[in-house]
Amino acid sequence: DAGITQSPRHKVTETGTPVTLRCHQTENHRYMYWYRQDPGHGLRLIHYSYGVKDTDKGEVSDGYSVSRSKTEDFLLTLESATSSQTSVYFCAIKETTNYGYTFGSGTRLTVV
Amino acid sequence: KQEVTQIPAALSVPEGENLVLNCSFTDSAIYNLQWFRQDPGKGLTSLLLIQSSQREQTSGRLNASLDKSSGRSTLYIAASQPGDSATYLCAVDNTGGFKTIFGAGTRLFVKA
Repeated sequence: DAGITQSPRHKVTETGTPVTLRCHQTENHRYMYWYRQDPGHGLRLIHYSYGVKDTDKGEVSDGYSVSRSKTEDFLLTLESATSSQTSVYFCAIKETTNYGYTFGSGTRLTVV
Repeated sequence: KQEVTQIPAALSVPEGENLVLNCSFTDSAIYNLQWFRQDPGKGLTSLLLIQSSQREQTSGRLNASLDKSSGRSTLYIAASQPGDSATYLCAVDNTGGFKTIFGAGTRLFVKA
């Protein structure tokens, strides 16, 4: 596997607080992604990265920011958490050989 | 704009049955198509990836086909088992491979 670790696995936070989710990979993949998965909406892209310090927005990027200062780490920050950001967040890498995805195990975030 | 549809949304079959899951897409200019399995509360596990130039891929009891001209892919599962019960998602990468559209998934239940 691509050695993807997401942390934390579960988090409960209060509305208005900042939250940072971490994605760590061990195989030097260039492309990394953050998705959220919600019933009725499926998987939606939040942000992605195509290299250190190179990131771009996805379809649901409002209220989220990302950083990638090292190849192995891709951080997702909810600047001021809202209840609408309660979701399961998945990190993924994309192989540069066949552009296939490998997903992490997910972070279940609840904003109360 | 690419749209990906999976029908049916849910399927229940008796153990041992051969079955086909469908994935339709509206824009034939794809880079690849990937099938995933997702167990409840878990991440996505990649099953098969078909490149744009390929017609099918096989892994064990699974066979995925791709017909770009008709905008369809099928996932064939032979001799289904209760352990195959999960949600199956297809994902289409548009040309360039940087953005992906996911289907909503087919929830499969295999009865013992």
